[in-house]
Amino acid sequence: QKEVEQDPGPLSVPEGAIVSLNCTYSNSAFQYFMWYRQYSRKGPELLMYTYSSGNKEDGRFTAQVDKSSKYISLFIRDSQPSDSATYLCAMSYETSGSRLTFGEGTQLTVNP
Amino acid sequence: NAGVTQTPKFQVLKTGQSMTLQCAQDMNHNSMYWYRQDPGMGLRLIYYSASEGTTDKGEVPNGYNVSRLNKREFSLRLESAAPSQTSVYFCASRSGAVNTGELFFGEGSRLTVL
Repeated sequence: QKEVEQDPGPLSVPEGAIVSLNCTYSNSAFQYFMWYRQYSRKGPELLMYTYSSGNKEDGRFTAQVDKSSKYISLFIRDSQPSDSATYLCAMSYETSGSRLTFGEGTQLTVNP
Repeated sequence: NAGVTQTPKFQVLKTGQSMTLQCAQDMNHNSMYWYRQDPGMGLRLIYYSASEGTTDKGEVPNGYNVSRLNKREFSLRLESAAPSQTSVYFCASRSGAVNTGELFFGEGSRLTVL
C-alpha cells in the first residue's frame, strides 16, 4: 500500500467551477503538507504549504488538512483554463526537510 | 533566473549503455535531489544530497549512482541502462535552512531505453 494515495483522474470541469482535489495518507507522523502544480512537460512548482491541521487560503486556492482523518484537500474557486495542470500532494515528517513523499498526481482540465 | 538546470532534456539509449544526467542550481541551496516520474507511480526519490559532500539513497536507488560534485552540481549516472529506467527524471533543490517544503525543480530529462 502506498503511503500517500491520490486519485489520478483525469478530472474535467467547466470554467468557473469549484474544484476539489484530495489525498489520503497512512503515516500519522506526517506534519508538513504541500500541493505542487505541474504543467505539461514542466517540473512541479510549489502552490500551497501548510503545517499540521487547519486551513490556509491564498487567492482562489484553499488547502485543508485533517490529521485525525489523515486527509488533505485543495480547493480551487472560480477555476480558469490556466489552472489546467497536474496537481500533486506531498508531505514530510522530518523537520530537517530532507525528504518529501508525493502522491501520484491528479490531472485537471478546465474547459472554457 | 536559471534556477535548476538539467541536461540533456532528451536522450535515447540502448540497453546496457551508460550515461550521466547533469544538474546544476544557482540558488545556493544546500540540498539536492533526483526523482523519477512514471505514470501511475508519481514522483519517486532516487537519491538525495542533504549537503555538499553527503549523499543518501532514496526509495528507488538500484541501478543508479550519484555524485555531489560541489554545492551547485549533482549528477545522476546510469551505469548499464535497462528498459525499466525509461522515465522522466527531475532534479530538485531546497535551501534546507527551514522546512518550508519548497523544492525547486528543473524541467526534466526524458530518457528512453530501448
